[in-house]
Amino acid sequence: SAVISQKPSRDICQRGTSLTIQCQVDSQVTMMFWYRQQPGQSLTLIATANQGSEATYESGFVIDKFPISRPNLTFSTLTVSNMSPEDSSIYLCSVEDRGREGNEQFFGPGTRLTVL
Amino acid sequence: QKEVEQNSGPLSVPEGAIASLNCTYSDRGSQSFFWYRQYSGKSPELIMFIYSNGDKEDGRFTAQLNKASQYVSLLIRDSQPSDSATYLCAVMNFNKFYFGSGTKLNVKP
Repeated sequence: SAVISQKPSRDICQRGTSLTIQCQVDSQVTMMFWYRQQPGQSLTLIATANQGSEATYESGFVIDKFPISRPNLTFSTLTVSNMSPEDSSIYLCSVEDRGREGNEQFFGPGTRLTVL
Repeated sequence: QKEVEQNSGPLSVPEGAIASLNCTYSDRGSQSFFWYRQYSGKSPELIMFIYSNGDKEDGRFTAQLNKASQYVSLLIRDSQPSDSATYLCAVMNFNKFYFGSGTKLNVKP
C-alpha cells in the first residue's frame, strides 16, 4: 500500500494569505485526491488531481480558491488562497492504490490549518 | 439527499460486547463499500471493504452488505476500549469516494 506524507503538518495563518500544502507518495499513482475535513465533520472531496491534466473540482470548490498542481505521478500540491477563518480545517491528500484485494484509498496524515 | 448516511452517535457499548454500525447509501450503482476508522486528530485508516452481497469477516470485524436494501454495516466483536473512534462509511462510485459523516463509538471498560 502507498505511504503518503504531507507538509506542513499544521499551520496558523493570517486572513488574506495563501498556504500551499504538499503531498508526496512513495510510489507512482494515477489518481490523487484532496479532501477537507472541518471540525466534527466528515470528509468532503475538493478535487481530483490527475497528472498531465487540469484538476477536476467538485461542486462548491473552484480553481481560483484551491489551485492544484500535479507535476508527476508521486507529488501534488493544494493551495488555499486568500484564506478566511472559514477555511480552518484539516486538509487530507489521498491516493487510490492497489491494496490487499483491490483498489483502495489511502490517506496522508493531514494538514491542520487554522486561519485567524 | 446525502449520498451516504450514518447515525452520528455516539454509540456506547461495554467492553467485550458487539458494536453494530450502520450505513445507507442512495446510489444503486455504487460499486464498493468501505469502512474507515478515524481516531481523534488522525487521518482515516481503512478497516475493511466489501463489494459483494453478504458477509465478509476479518478478525473481530465483519462487514455486511445488502445491495437490495442499500445498506452496509460493520460489526465489531469483543469490543475493546482501543476501538473507540469515529467510523466512516465510504461508497465508491465510478472512482469517486463518498463519505458518510461518521459514527462515534465509545467502548467503556
